[in-house]
Amino acid sequence: GAVVSQHPSWVICKSGTSVKIECRSLDFQATTMFWYRQFPKQSLMLMATSNEGSKATYEQGVEKDKFLINHASLTLSTLTVTSAHPEDSSFYICSAVPGLGVADTQYFGPGTRLTVL
Amino acid sequence: AQSVTQLGSHVSVSEGALVLLRCNYSSSVPPYLFWYVQYPNQGLQLLLKYTSAATLVKGINGFEAEFKKSETSFHLTKPSAHMSDAAEYFCAVSLYGGSQGNLIFGKGTKLSVKP
Repeated sequence: GAVVSQHPSWVICKSGTSVKIECRSLDFQATTMFWYRQFPKQSLMLMATSNEGSKATYEQGVEKDKFLINHASLTLSTLTVTSAHPEDSSFYICSAVPGLGVADTQYFGPGTRLTVL
Repeated sequence: AQSVTQLGSHVSVSEGALVLLRCNYSSSVPPYLFWYVQYPNQGLQLLLKYTSAATLVKGINGFEAEFKKSETSFHLTKPSAHMSDAAEYFCAVSLYGGSQGNLIFGKGTKLSVKP
């Protein structure tokens, strides 16, 4: 149980285009989903917290107009990288939390590798 | 503010040997602590978590970790390494549990297992 999927698993796009990444909780409902970014040989850095039905909360230094997050349902959150540039190339990972109890666990998706040419 | 320090960016052990991955945390209040494993080009998989119950936490794949408040440590161990354990391991801390607050990750430790 507690499976999170991401689509696509990898994507290559041209500079200036937009890319949408989907994060789905397959067997549970997630009121909260998180989006992380991971650069090569580095740890995960939280980009934003996505709550179903409300606006996402972005971490300091993350451009909300560039990284659009939509949490339209209890099983789906999307991250759209708008006007992508080569420096946006990274590994994007989402996580989802089943439930609201204290110490609930974040379950991570397999990640999406974005390469911007 | 919370922080996590993982000692050793790369640990190499022989198959069958003890695995010890070190994690020290800094937190002003009792934290929630997690160990995650990441295989190449994959997301993170939860190994185990400490939530203020038992100080010795057993996880999946034979891993366990012990919370030591006096040493502010949460080291990950496995008695006998297997080739399939080769991966990157991340220690993480949260004040409020995984759902309500940020997970602050350490920089990770890459485990290599030699035949």
